[in-house]
Amino acid sequence: EDKVVQSPLSLVVHEGDTVTLNCSYEVTNFRSLLWYKQEKKAPTFLFMLTSSGIEKKSGRLSSILDKKELFSILNITATQTGDSAVYLCVAPMNNNAGNMLTFGGGTRLMVKP
Amino acid sequence: GAGVSQTPSNKVTEKGKYVELRCDPISGHTALYWYRQSLGQGPEFLIYFQGTGAADDSGLPNDRFFAVRPEGSVSTLKIQRTERGDSAVYLCASSSRDRGSPLHFGNGTRLTVT
Repeated sequence: EDKVVQSPLSLVVHEGDTVTLNCSYEVTNFRSLLWYKQEKKAPTFLFMLTSSGIEKKSGRLSSILDKKELFSILNITATQTGDSAVYLCVAPMNNNAGNMLTFGGGTRLMVKP
Repeated sequence: GAGVSQTPSNKVTEKGKYVELRCDPISGHTALYWYRQSLGQGPEFLIYFQGTGAADDSGLPNDRFFAVRPEGSVSTLKIQRTERGDSAVYLCASSSRDRGSPLHFGNGTRLTVT
């Protein structure tokens, strides 16, 4: 059965800290891995990773994929209170139905001032 | 342009009642998904449409749940004889036809069954 596991489940840090969120996966016919940020409402798209070893960056956020060890990390440097959210790691299944996603349970990040 | 729109944003209903939740995807997106998210958990897949047809409804928990997308755009998730366990946030997402393209989520409908 496909699964995506995220750790830690929750994390509390102070502004300015750097955090690393982990995601391990077991997905049939792996194609890509996505990271989303979910605040109060809809998850918003952060990154899509398809190749090992290539870092994706967006401002203070970066992510990398290791297809050999089946995991990904999301780094946030110089955290701010606005980074407080649930971060979801997602793996699409490459089945005939198309782009069905397997979500991890998320990491709840709280950044204190 | 407009994102995925879901209505209502909140719905409170009594146990046993029927509810409809609406999703208006991004224009031109052929793929549409419904997910259900309970507190503290990741979204759980319910059903996937490619165009007008339900390509995969394996996530629907039972026959009280049904979804339609008659014209390949707006979709309605229908829940009959609601139960308290149906209380959750129901998320709709859409994407373009391209395989692997990211999903764009709506803000969800928070359903509370009393």
